[in-house]
Amino acid sequence: QVQLQESGPGLVKPSQTLSLTCTVADDSISSPDYYWSWIRQPPGKGLEWIGYIYSSGSTYYNPSLKSRVTISIDTSKNQFSLKLSSVTAADTAVYYCARVHSIWIPQNLEYYYYMDVWGKGTTVTVSS
Amino acid sequence: SYELTQPPSVSVSPGQTASIPCSGDKLGDKYACWYQQKSGQSPVLVIYQDYKRPSGIPERFSGSNSGNTATLTISGTQAMDEADYYCQAWDTSTAVFGGGTKLTVL
Repeated sequence: QVQLQESGPGLVKPSQTLSLTCTVADDSISSPDYYWSWIRQPPGKGLEWIGYIYSSGSTYYNPSLKSRVTISIDTSKNQFSLKLSSVTAADTAVYYCARVHSIWIPQNLEYYYYMDVWGKGTTVTVSS
Repeated sequence: SYELTQPPSVSVSPGQTASIPCSGDKLGDKYACWYQQKSGQSPVLVIYQDYKRPSGIPERFSGSNSGNTATLTISGTQAMDEADYYCQAWDTSTAVFGGGTKLTVL
């Protein structure tokens, strides 16, 4: 059973860059059927999608965060990473990584995606 | 930007049927999925592609999607189903989540 584990600093100062890594176990991050995503959840609030990456390195980001987000992938380490620049207190949240399963829908001639496995999450606090 | 709207809370008695709606413009033209998040835990996928259940998800969980509303239905609700539930759909390659519904079993 695939497992995802987030890691990184739990405390980041305002205006600095938040950096997190997700390590994928018992599955290859290069599998053609999957993308890899970051999602966050501020304290007491709902889920916000940050973006995803494919093993080729192609990415797509939430337009609301796009100017500050970079997601990268290291297939040799079976890891993918998140960088969020110029953080403020509003970026305080639990950050989750997740596997995104892509399936072909022949009747629609398009792919459909869903986040089928999530990590346990890591809390990041932005404070001086 | 695309928005999905859920009621903040739904209450149900044990053994009864709980229905959680999720509304969005022409949501029925997209696929919806649902995540369950118990207190202090990470989300778990319970429904994808409108109505399909991942392996390990009990049959009492079902989904539908038509018009502007997707619905998660839990039949014979159990105390262990008390959780926050989030709907999610894709709009122009962006994942959009509903605000979440807290299901109380009392």
